[in-house]
Amino acid sequence: QVQLVQSGAEVTKPGASVKLSCKTSGYTFTYYAITWLRQAPGQGLEWLGWISADKGNTRYAQKVQDRVILTTDASTTTAFLELRSLRSDDTARYFCARITSDCSDDKCYSGARFDSWGQGTLLTVSS
Amino acid sequence: SFELTQPPSVSVSPGQTANIPCSGDQLGNKYVSWYQQRPGQSPVVVIYEDTKRPSGIPDRFSGSNSENTATLTISGTQALDEADYYCQAWDSNNVVLGGGTKVTVL
Repeated sequence: QVQLVQSGAEVTKPGASVKLSCKTSGYTFTYYAITWLRQAPGQGLEWLGWISADKGNTRYAQKVQDRVILTTDASTTTAFLELRSLRSDDTARYFCARITSDCSDDKCYSGARFDSWGQGTLLTVSS
Repeated sequence: SFELTQPPSVSVSPGQTANIPCSGDQLGNKYVSWYQQRPGQSPVVVIYEDTKRPSGIPDRFSGSNSENTATLTISGTQALDEADYYCQAWDSNNVVLGGGTKVTVL
């Protein structure tokens, strides 16, 4: 069965960087893109970006595009999110999810959904 | 920029129908997915491509999308349907999410 297992909780200081992982299994990694979202305490979901696991092309949300880097490692079927220059308002639970599209050629199918999700990683940014 | 708007909350009595709207400019021209998130859990897709249900999702969940509004309908609402619900669409290959609606089963 499809599984996405995310790395454990992180506590870090303002100004630092963090790299979260999302280990996938149960499907052909390069056939699907991966998206990342976050949810601050008591708030709604916020989209951060997606990455094609096939070609590595990415798309980022405007709010974080200067601080976030999405990568994948096909040899370990793992996706990564790196967030730099951390601030207190980056404190949130971060989710990865599989997109039902490979998003190759910088295009995702217009009806693509997020059909499998990781359990989330809690990131706390505090001095 | 393209935005999706949802009411913050909807209340429904057990066994009744809950309608959760999601509005956006010419939203009917896009596909909409809906996600259910119970407290402390990861979201789960309950409707995709406006009207389709993934396997395992009860048929009391249905969706529609026309003109500027997509609607998630929960018929015969049960206590376990109490959750936050998010609509989602694509706009120029960017993901757009609604702010979420908390459904309370009174």
